[in-house]
Amino acid sequence: DSGVTQTPKHLITATGQRVTLRCSPRSGDLSVYWYQQSLDQGLQFLIQYYNGEERAKGNILERFSAQQFPDLHSELNLSSLELGDSALYFCASSGQGSQPQHFGDGTRLSIL
Amino acid sequence: GDSVTQMEGPVTLSEEAFLTINCTYTATGYPSLFWYVQYPGEGLQLLLKATKADDKGSNKGFEATYRKETTSFHLEKGSVQVSDSAVYFCAPWVDKIIFGKGTRLHILP
Repeated sequence: DSGVTQTPKHLITATGQRVTLRCSPRSGDLSVYWYQQSLDQGLQFLIQYYNGEERAKGNILERFSAQQFPDLHSELNLSSLELGDSALYFCASSGQGSQPQHFGDGTRLSIL
Repeated sequence: GDSVTQMEGPVTLSEEAFLTINCTYTATGYPSLFWYVQYPGEGLQLLLKATKADDKGSNKGFEATYRKETTSFHLEKGSVQVSDSAVYFCAPWVDKIIFGKGTRLHILP
C-alpha cells in the first residue's frame, strides 16, 4: 500500500463530458503529481503541485486543469472529453527534493 | 535537455534466466537515479535507487549501479521469476524526475 488514494478506480463517460479525478497524497507529502498513461504514449507527466501551488507543468492540455486544496488533496479536471483521452491517470506524491514518488493505483478513464 | 533512454521491450525470458535492462541518461549535474516497477493493474512503485556515483541500489534480487562515466544505470537480476513480469521504468532526477518509456518484461515458466 503506497498510501496514495485515487478515486474513482474506473470512470466511463461520453465524448464532450467533464470529469473530476481525486487524489489523496501520502501522509506528510506536500507534492502531488498527475500522470497520464496510455498504450501508445507511455507515461506522460501532466502537472505538479507543491503545498497548494502549481510547481511544474508538463504535457497538459488546455482542456485539463488541476488544483491542490489546503488539506493537500488534489483534483484533476478533464473537460470536453475526446476519445483519445481514454487512459490511465495516476497521481503520485512525494516529500521534498529527490524523495521518491509514491503512486496511487490509478483511475481508468474510458470515453465512449 | 535532460533525458533518459531505456531498452525497448517487450523482453521475454525463461524463468531463472539472467536479466539486463539498459538505461542511459543525459543530465546537467549529478542526478539521483531510480528504477520503478509497475505490476499489472497497479501503479508504479519504487524498486531501487542510487544517489551518487558508484552507489549500488538493490531490492528483491534486482541491482543497478550508478555509472557516472557512462551515464548509465542498468538494471540486472541473476535469476528471474514469473512474478517479475511487469513494466520497468528508469528515472533520473535532477530538479525533476524524468521517466523512461518503460520496458515490458515477460517471464515464461
